[in-house]
Amino acid sequence: ELKVEQNPLFLSMQEGKNYTIYCNYSTTSDRLYWYRQDPGKSLESLFVLLSNGAVKQEGRLMASLDTKARLSTLHITAAVHDLSATYFCAPGAGSYQLTFGKGTKLSVIP
Amino acid sequence: EAGVAQSPRYKIIEKRQSVAFWCNPISGHATLYWYQQILGQGPKLLIQFQNNGVVDDSQLPKDRFSAERLKGVDSTLKIQPAKLEDSAVYLCASSLDYNQPQHFGDGTRLSIL
Repeated sequence: ELKVEQNPLFLSMQEGKNYTIYCNYSTTSDRLYWYRQDPGKSLESLFVLLSNGAVKQEGRLMASLDTKARLSTLHITAAVHDLSATYFCAPGAGSYQLTFGKGTKLSVIP
Repeated sequence: EAGVAQSPRYKIIEKRQSVAFWCNPISGHATLYWYQQILGQGPKLLIQFQNNGVVDDSQLPKDRFSAERLKGVDSTLKIQPAKLEDSAVYLCASSLDYNQPQHFGDGTRLSIL
């Protein structure tokens, strides 16, 4: 059974600062997704990472994947308030199903 | 492109009652998923359909939950009878195929009294 651990679960950071969210998973996975969820809203796909060493960037967010270490990171550069949300990583295994982490609730403070 | 449609948005029932949720996936999407998201947790897959066949329902509590996808398009998820621990948001997602990104609906927030 694939287990997913995200760290930290809660993150409060000041605008303009950088920080990294970590996603560890327990078994081999052939792809990993990052999703964003705003309060009361559904999940929005941010990135899909399909190979070892994959790196994707969109605005102030950059995601990377190390399949050997079973680790993905989501790096936030110069945070702004609009990035406040909950971020989920979801590695895939088996019948292309996704297993979601518990999420990292990010609050960006002016 | 229209997104995944779900209804109702909110539902409040008493324990032991029954409830049904409806999902209309993005047109042409072969794969449909139902997830349960309990407050403060990530979504947990309940059932996955490929067209109108079930791919995986290993985490579906079959004594009380049922789901169907007739004609490989719309799907319904039913709970009968509901328990307090079923209080959650029920998310429907669809993808073009089983190895493509999943697109989520807004969910149905279920409260059990």
